[in-house]
Formats: sequence, structure tokens, C-alpha cells
Amino acid sequence: KNQVEQSPQSLIILEGKNCTLQCNYTVSPFSNLRWYKQDTGRGPVSLTIMTFSENTKSNGRYTATLDADTKQSSLHITASQLSDSASYICVVSEKNYGGATNKLIFGTGTLLAVQP
Amino acid sequence: TAGITQAPTSQILAAGRSMTLRCTQDMRHNAMYWYRQDLGLGLRLIHYSNTAGTTGKGEVPDGYSVSRANTDDFPLTLASAVPSQTSVYFCASSDYGTGYNEQFFGPGTRLTVL
Repeated sequence: KNQVEQSPQSLIILEGKNCTLQCNYTVSPFSNLRWYKQDTGRGPVSLTIMTFSENTKSNGRYTATLDADTKQSSLHITASQLSDSASYICVVSEKNYGGATNKLIFGTGTLLAVQP
Repeated sequence: TAGITQAPTSQILAAGRSMTLRCTQDMRHNAMYWYRQDLGLGLRLIHYSNTAGTTGKGEVPDGYSVSRANTDDFPLTLASAVPSQTSVYFCASSDYGTGYNEQFFGPGTRLTVL
């Protein structure tokens, strides 16, 4: 069964500190992996998208890595800010052949709280 | 640019009543989607539409119907609501056919069925 698992479920860090969130997946065939940020009461917003051949991708203070061999990804947040408090969702796209829409499989998210 | 708008923001609905959740996008994306988000679960796809005039079933379609009369609008209808349909509903859109198929999400509708 195609699954996406994230750890930890929740995390509390102090403002200015770094943190790393983990994502393991069993999705096959693999198309791409995305990280989304979801603020409380809002819709998810895309941070990064990586294909099979990409090992790392950055978006400001956010850096995502992908190891397609071990089916693991991480999201590293540098110099955290209060506005980073949100749920971070790992999403893996399952490749559908024949022109159909790729299926997205969502993790349950890591809830990050940045405290002053 | 508004992106994706959803209405209403929240709603309390009596079981057995019908309701339509509205979704409109102004990005001229050809694909649109409806998801539900429940505590402890990842977002789950209810229905999707690759292009105007076509729709398809997602992972959890039972109890829901959709239509896609034009590019911009993708309403989700609950014909006879049940308490298990209490959830937060997100509409999304993307350019179907591109490799990334990046999806852009609306702000969500919080629905409570009593």
C-alpha cells in the first residue's frame, strides 16, 4: 500500500534554532515529492517540489532533500522564525501512465511550534 | 489575483440536509480537485476534474457529487449530509498535463454536520 509517514508528529523549538522534519514513503511508481506548509485555518502552500533526479532544493530558509533509493526526504528549516509555526506536509505523487492525473498521497504532517 | 476562493468559510448543517460548497479559480487551470482533511489523517481526494466537462472519482467519493460546467468553477454537493462528513474541505487546482502538476489550494470550508 502506498503510504507517506512523517516524523515527528509535533515539534517545539526556540526562535532562531534550526530543525529537520522527516518523511518516509513507500509510493511506487514515484513521480515527485513535495513539501507543503499549512498555517492554522489556511490551505496548504507549496514549499518545494523534487523529482527523482533531484537530491536537494531550497526555498529561502527551507531546504528539502530527497534520497530516492531509501525513499526518504527531509525538510530543514534554518534560523526559525515565529511565522514558521505551522503544519508541514510531505506529499508524494504517484506516477500514472496513460495521461491520467498523478495521484497525490499526503502525509499527516508535522506540527511545528516556534516559541520566542 | 485571487487564486482560489471557497464559500462558505464555515457552515453548520443538520443531518439529512443538502449543501453545495463553492470553489472558483481565476488561474485558468484546467484541473481541479476536492479534498477533505480530518484530524490524524492526510488530505484525501474526493473528486477531481481534469478539464471542463469531465469529472472523476477520488479516494472517498461516496456521498459527494461534483460538476464542471466551465473552467473556473467546481462545486461540491452533499445530497444528504451525515455526521461523518464533518470535516474541512479544500479545493485545489493545477495545470493538468505538466510534469509537476503543482496544486494550489483554497482557504478551505469547515463543515459541521449535526
